[in-house]
Amino acid sequence: DTGVSQDPRHKITKRGQNVTFRCDPISEHNRLYWYRQTLGQGPEFLTYFQNEAQLEKSRLLSDRFSAERPKGSFSTLEIQRTEQGDSAMYLCASDGGPSTDTQYFGPGTRLTVL
Amino acid sequence: QKEVEQNSGPLSVPEGAIASLNCTYSDRGSQSFFWYRQYSGKSPELIMSIYSNGDKEDGRFTAQLNKASQYVSLLIRDSQPSDSATYLCAVKGWAGGGNKLTFGTGTQLKVEL
Repeated sequence: DTGVSQDPRHKITKRGQNVTFRCDPISEHNRLYWYRQTLGQGPEFLTYFQNEAQLEKSRLLSDRFSAERPKGSFSTLEIQRTEQGDSAMYLCASDGGPSTDTQYFGPGTRLTVL
Repeated sequence: QKEVEQNSGPLSVPEGAIASLNCTYSDRGSQSFFWYRQYSGKSPELIMSIYSNGDKEDGRFTAQLNKASQYVSLLIRDSQPSDSATYLCAVKGWAGGGNKLTFGTGTQLKVEL
């Protein structure tokens, strides 16, 4: 069990650019979640997948955000036309193994929009 | 009213003391409750989960749940400087749907030598 992995760990981009993040969940987990965390706040839910189906999206997820999990394994989160307000830590978590509904988090991707 | 509320702190305790962290939630239908620890610049790390009213102990940590009062707490016994972190309370869904976690803003704990 290698845990949840995310790539890249840090991303600096200029306003208006597109960025894409990747998350690889724990292998036996069929549910995958994306959260966003800003300084001094708890993580806020963005969206989640069960296998390849995207089952819930937060109202926080504007049209500029899109997430996919095409084969039910890894997931990508894309932000188009980034804004300075998108600067945050983007966290991925997974659960759904045989014995737990506990979500385990990856190390996160820290996005800075200049 | 926020869905999950925590005192942001900082809560300062001396080494060896008991730290008591509290959390209230608004959705009476919530079923699962979690405490995560988060060091600065790192991602949340699970400490404990609790599902039923009462106490659940794991080493130096005890989680307490009172669904009637919509209250969850975490006690840390024999606090160590390495316990200094932000503690996040998270609540999951409601019966019949909702797997997402709703987090409080976290309580910063400082354990002083």
